[in-house]
Formats: sequence, structure tokens, C-alpha cells
Amino acid sequence: DSGVTQTPKHLITATGQRVTLRCSPRSGDLSVYWYQQSLDQGLQFLIQYYNGEERAKGNILERFSAQQFPDLHSELNLSSLELGDSALYFCASSVSWSNQPQHFGDGTRLSIL
Amino acid sequence: GIQVEQSPPDLILQEGANSTLRCNFSDSVNNLQWFHQNPWGQLINLFYIPSGTKQNGRLSATTVATERYSLLYISSSQTTDSGVYFCAGRDSGAGSYQLTFGKGTKLSVIP
Repeated sequence: DSGVTQTPKHLITATGQRVTLRCSPRSGDLSVYWYQQSLDQGLQFLIQYYNGEERAKGNILERFSAQQFPDLHSELNLSSLELGDSALYFCASSVSWSNQPQHFGDGTRLSIL
Repeated sequence: GIQVEQSPPDLILQEGANSTLRCNFSDSVNNLQWFHQNPWGQLINLFYIPSGTKQNGRLSATTVATERYSLLYISSSQTTDSGVYFCAGRDSGAGSYQLTFGKGTKLSVIP
């Protein structure tokens, strides 16, 4: 158990819809990262938050957004969903700025029908 | 951007055999980690190994940062070792800490 909790584990929805993925980091971790794993693109970084503020952006679509709340949990919002958004979405957390490992949750498997 | 390359892409082993997986990375990569993704999709942290050698049971890893490679050793493989092994590193020149992943080595251990 990594200590990172992601909900829901599975999500099935239709094109054009909007979903919210939730992540609770390990106790004491201030940084949260979101990654997407798709069959054609592999594991790719989407966005990072540190202590409530956006810290870095990767290959995140404009239809996607995220935030980190004062209790440090994070949500990833995906809107106007397309078939190609079907993927496994991972959340990871780490302590802070120091060189520390990232710990990954079990992921949310999103299927767009 | 930084480069993280893994070899071999696929590996089939008889149960009980040993194996070595390799990860080559570009000059500015640090914070190297090894992960195992099991058949259920879970990404399990195996090692955080910026340099040196670590061991955990039948698994061990070595990173030689000056030569830009890392090795993951699996001894006496078991069917539960099957899955995809990823290495990932951070760009030490960037201002953030996101990981860049290799494409993985798919390991199949057969009884």
C-alpha cells in the first residue's frame, strides 16, 4: 500500500461528458502529480501541484484541469470527453522540493464509450 | 527533453531463471526510480536509486549515474514477477519534479 488513495477505481462514461478523479496524497506529502497512461502514448506527466499551487504542466489538454485543496487532496477534471481520453490515470505524491521518490496510487481506469 | 530508454522491450523467462533489465538515460536525468506494473494495472514502487546499489529480496538495482544507466536484477523469477517494469527519472535541469518514463520491459514468467 503506497498510502496514495485514488477514487473511483473504474469509471465508464460517454463522449461529451465530464468526470472528476480524486486523489488523496500520503500523509505529509505536499506535492501531487497526475499522469496519464494510454496504449499509444505510454505514461505521461500531466500536471503537478505543490501545497495548493500549480507547479508544472506537461502534456495536459485544455479540456483537462486540476486543483489541490487546502487539505492537500487533488482533483483532476476531464471535460468534453473523447474516445481517445480512455486511459489509466495515476496520481502520485512526494514530500516536497527535495529529491525524494514519488509514490503512486492504484489509478483510475477511465473508459469512454 | 530528457531521454529514458529501456531494454529489452519484451522478455520471456522460465520460472526460476534470473534476468537483467537495463535503463539508459540522458545526461541530465536523476532521481531514478524502478516500478513494476502488475497485470491489474497497479504501479508498484520497487526502488528509488539515484546512484549505488540496493537490494530487496530477490530484486536488486544498480545505478551508475556517471555512465547514465541503471540495471534491475531479478533472481529466481516467479510467475508473480510478470508484468511491465518501468524506469523513470527527473530532469535535473528543470524547475519541477515530474518523472519521465521509459517505454517499459514486458516480462512474462512461465511455469
